[in-house]
Amino acid sequence: EVQLVESGGGLVQPGGSLRLSCTDSRITLNNYAMAWVRQAPGKGLEWVSGISGSGGRTYYADSVEGRFTISRDNSKRTLYLQMNSLRAEDTATYYCADQKGFPGSLDNWGQGTLVTVS
Amino acid sequence: DIQMTQSPSTLSASVGDRVTITCRASQTINNYLAWYQQKPGKAPKLLIHRASTLESGVPSRFSGSGSETEFTLTISSLQPDDFASYYCHQYNTYSGTFGQGTKVEIK
Repeated sequence: EVQLVESGGGLVQPGGSLRLSCTDSRITLNNYAMAWVRQAPGKGLEWVSGISGSGGRTYYADSVEGRFTISRDNSKRTLYLQMNSLRAEDTATYYCADQKGFPGSLDNWGQGTLVTVS
Repeated sequence: DIQMTQSPSTLSASVGDRVTITCRASQTINNYLAWYQQKPGKAPKLLIHRASTLESGVPSRFSGSGSETEFTLTISSLQPDDFASYYCHQYNTYSGTFGQGTKVEIK
């Protein structure tokens, strides 16, 4: 069973930084493309960032461009999201998800990690 | 950026009803359209990709259709487990976008 597990969320002050991680428990390293999606409390889903299987291509939503950085370490089967200059509007549950294609549908999701900027 | 307009935002229905949710893209997305189901406190779950391809394990009462810019998710006979929120998602571009979501409530 595919299992993606996010970690690193928490409470941070405006202007602060946080790094989220997403670890893939699959035995076989598939190097799927990956994405981060967030959901503010009581709101809908928002695509945040995506990265190719090799990590060579990255993309960002306008709302986080220049402040967030997506990266991955395939040897550790881990996806990262470095979030700097955090704002109150970044408060959300952050999900990681994998994509068989790039771009692609979001096939398997983690359980999410909550980031609160206050 | 491609905008996705999903309707209705809320839908009240009864068990056994046929339910239809619509998503409209601001430009053609070549059928790179997915539908997700989300229950409170849980992560979204992929139901359909490529506009009409059902994910493995998803009940056949779910179906997707459409092309170009107009897409539909249909639940042929609503079951108690289907009361949830549903989102469309275009992935024609690397920066994907979601519809605003539809909450399916018990009538």
